[in-house]
Amino acid sequence: AQTVTQSQPEMSVQEAETVTLSCTYDTSESDYYLFWYKQPPSRQMILVIRQEAYKQQNATENRFSVNFQKAAKSFSLKISDSQLGDAAMYFCAYRGYGNKLVFGAGTILRVKS
Amino acid sequence: EAQVTQNPRYLITVTGKKLTVTCSQNMNHEYMSWYRQDPGLGLRQIYYSMNVEVTDKGDVPEGYKVSRKEKRNFPLILESPSPNQTSLYFCASSPFAPPSYEQYFGPGTRLTVT
Repeated sequence: AQTVTQSQPEMSVQEAETVTLSCTYDTSESDYYLFWYKQPPSRQMILVIRQEAYKQQNATENRFSVNFQKAAKSFSLKISDSQLGDAAMYFCAYRGYGNKLVFGAGTILRVKS
Repeated sequence: EAQVTQNPRYLITVTGKKLTVTCSQNMNHEYMSWYRQDPGLGLRQIYYSMNVEVTDKGDVPEGYKVSRKEKRNFPLILESPSPNQTSLYFCASSPFAPPSYEQYFGPGTRLTVT
């Protein structure tokens, strides 16, 4: 079975600074997809960024980028120029052949002004 | 507007009183799923459905039932709720394939069982 591990329960970052959230996963599948979801206090789940395992190029979406290391099974999220609106719970998630999303435990990100 | 709706958004109930949380999507998605979110555990899949009349257990199915009689609806049924089912519940939908497709989440249902 696939597992996803987020080892940082909480992180803090100063406004305008850069922060990296860590995620590792375990799978025996060769083709899969990885996602980062943001959950603000409203509880809505918002897709931040996705990465296809067969693509070596790291995905980027504006201030959000990932560092995908397939051999190490690592998928970290970098947030540049952090803003107050980035404060939220962030979940790393895996989706393979079975279509099920497997989530990590989440990382609470606090942004200080 | 493309969306997944859930009702109710908040529910407080007592042990043993049957309840249903409804989920509906207007995007003609084949795949629908229920998750529960608990602190320190992230979201875990309860049940999923790949199409009408096709449902299967996820990782934590005990104490829950589902049905998929119409493509747009996927209700979650708690026949005899217990306090350990107090949680935040999410319904989600997506096209069946490929797995790169984003899963669209409903707004969540906060359930408290006393």
